Amino acid sequence: DIQMTQSPSSLSASLGGKVTITCKASQDINKYIAWYQHKPGKGPRLLIHYTSTLQPGIPSRFSGSGSRRDYSFSISNLEPEDIATYYCLQYDNLWTFGGGTKLEI
Amino acid sequence: QVQLQQPGAELVKPGASVKMSCKASGYTFTSYWINWVKQRPGQGLEWIGEIYPGRGITNYNEKFKSKATLTLDTSSSTAFMQLSSLTYEDSAVYYCSRRGAGAMDYWGQGTSVTVSS
Repeated sequence: DIQMTQSPSSLSASLGGKVTITCKASQDINKYIAWYQHKPGKGPRLLIHYTSTLQPGIPSRFSGSGSRRDYSFSISNLEPEDIATYYCLQYDNLWTFGGGTKLEI
Repeated sequence: QVQLQQPGAELVKPGASVKMSCKASGYTFTSYWINWVKQRPGQGLEWIGEIYPGRGITNYNEKFKSKATLTLDTSSSTAFMQLSSLTYEDSAVYYCSRRGAGAMDYWGQGTSVTVSS
């Protein structure tokens, strides 16, 4: 099974600032990683798939990069509605979520 | 528009089973995998398994192979997940989601399952 190590588990940032979350896979996942935003009482929202492809309607201040085992996700120009928990998900071999990052502003 | 509808809550007794539903609309049900994901209170997301409505093929997380059973009713575009021999550790929110062109693209609101005597 592929393991996904996500860090940090929580972070605090300022409005207008930038944050970066990382995920490290236990093996090469061939860029098959997605990033989700999850708010209480709702289903997770897909932001980015295949490492860096933005879903339609997702603002460009969300971005992703990486290759082989190491991937990162960034949010710039932080807004109040960005408060949420963020997860990475590998889908190269079945599915594995990272542990999540709780973002506070 | 694509929608996945799930009932809001289920209350079940320890040792019992529960069968929850995920009704799809707005797309061709038989063309996309349906996934199920668990979230315990205060915990992260955990993949349970997936089923392909076009052929009834399933894949399971090894951890849930003896706990979860995924089935379909293609006539009503509904996927089901049955959880057996429930314990307090099965109390969680269970989401269904669709696998689109990129990962799991649409999600239901989740069904909150409470196991309590």
